[in-house]
Amino acid sequence: QITLKESGPTLVKPTQTLTLTCTFSGFSLSTSGVGVGWIRQPPGKALEWLALIYWDDNKRYSPSLKSRLTITKDTSKNQVVLTMTNMDPVDTATYYCAHRHTIGGPFDDWGQGTLVIVSS
Amino acid sequence: SYELTQPLSVSVALGQTARITCGGNNIGSKNVHWYQQKPGQAPVLVIYRDSNRPSGIPERFSGSNSGNTATLTISRAQAGDEADYYCQVWDTSTGVFGGGTKLTVL
Repeated sequence: QITLKESGPTLVKPTQTLTLTCTFSGFSLSTSGVGVGWIRQPPGKALEWLALIYWDDNKRYSPSLKSRLTITKDTSKNQVVLTMTNMDPVDTATYYCAHRHTIGGPFDDWGQGTLVIVSS
Repeated sequence: SYELTQPLSVSVALGQTARITCGGNNIGSKNVHWYQQKPGQAPVLVIYRDSNRPSGIPERFSGSNSGNTATLTISRAQAGDEADYYCQVWDTSTGVFGGGTKLTVL
């Protein structure tokens, strides 16, 4: 059974850096083809893809947010970490991590999401 | 950047067929994935690579993709199908989601 769970602060102040951790089980991020991504969803709005890290440590970022995002993995801990700098109230959203088991495939499994509120 | 266009809302009578479209430039050349999201829940994959159903997804859900439009079809719509639906593709290894469609079952 594959599970993913996001963790991190619920409230961050504007200009601060957000650090979110995705802890997963049921698959290995060292298996060829596997990836873990981050997706966010502002309240009442659509899903927005943020970043993806591959089994071989290749990384992809949303072009519009690339300058603010960093994604890393710790295979031994089964964790993926996303950092987003210079947070703004418009970044208030539920942040999801998700597992992709094949290149070009869908996000097969999702975490429950974690709500991040940006406010002073 | 690549964009996907979905209707904001679709309504369907109970037991009838709902069709939700996802438009994109030459989307037929890409693999399209569809997710269902109910209020307060994480998205769930319902169709992958245009027309494939994950295990546990009813046969009532089907998909097609050609030209500039991909379509998610829900046959014999049930009250439990009421949700937001999102299409998604990969464009040069960048993920793209459609704006989502709210399906209402009347």
